Amino acid sequence: AQSVTQLDSQVPVFEEAPVELRCNYSSSVSVYLFWYVQYPNQGLQLLLKYLSGSTLVESINGFEAEFNKSQTSFHLRKPSVHISDTAEYFCAVIREGSYIPTFGRGTSLIVHP
Amino acid sequence: DGGITQSPKYLFRKEGQNVTLSCEQNLNHDAMYWYRQDPGQGLRLIYYSQIVNDFQKGDIAEGYSVSREKKESFPLTVTSAQKNPTAFYLCASSISGRNQPQHFGDGTRLSIL
Repeated sequence: AQSVTQLDSQVPVFEEAPVELRCNYSSSVSVYLFWYVQYPNQGLQLLLKYLSGSTLVESINGFEAEFNKSQTSFHLRKPSVHISDTAEYFCAVIREGSYIPTFGRGTSLIVHP
Repeated sequence: DGGITQSPKYLFRKEGQNVTLSCEQNLNHDAMYWYRQDPGQGLRLIYYSQIVNDFQKGDIAEGYSVSREKKESFPLTVTSAQKNPTAFYLCASSISGRNQPQHFGDGTRLSIL
């Protein structure tokens, strides 16, 4: 079985500040990792994914995440946030041999002006 | 553009009533899913289907039913047996196979009258 832990339920930051949203997972087999973003009253949108290869993956809107196998983490970072980044962020894991993801409980990123 | 359409966006249920949430996709995806989202609890899997005429229970299937008669459609019925149906319901689809990200609809918000 696998589990996903997003330690912070809410992360308030000021505009243009850096941010890190934490995601840790537990699994006895290899995993594939995803970050999704959800704006109010909408569905989830894929932000970025790690399947294999380089452990640092980037999205088109400035977010990046690094897969750390030894720490079983996949933290999401952005060096300078905008008001428009205010949303709920979900980390998800699919273990090797499966196609059903396990989602974390989500982190609400609140960007203040 | 391809995507997933959920309808209606808002739905109200009376006591003892069954209601059906629609989910249609034109992405030619084989796999489809239904999730329930409650504040602070992330996404919980209700049912999923990998091929037409076949589906499996997820973690919280009690009080719900589904059908998969067409590849494009995966309706969810919330029955009167579901005692706490108030939630945001999300439908998703993915390419069949391992490690594929999911595409989500914009959700249906169900409330009790």
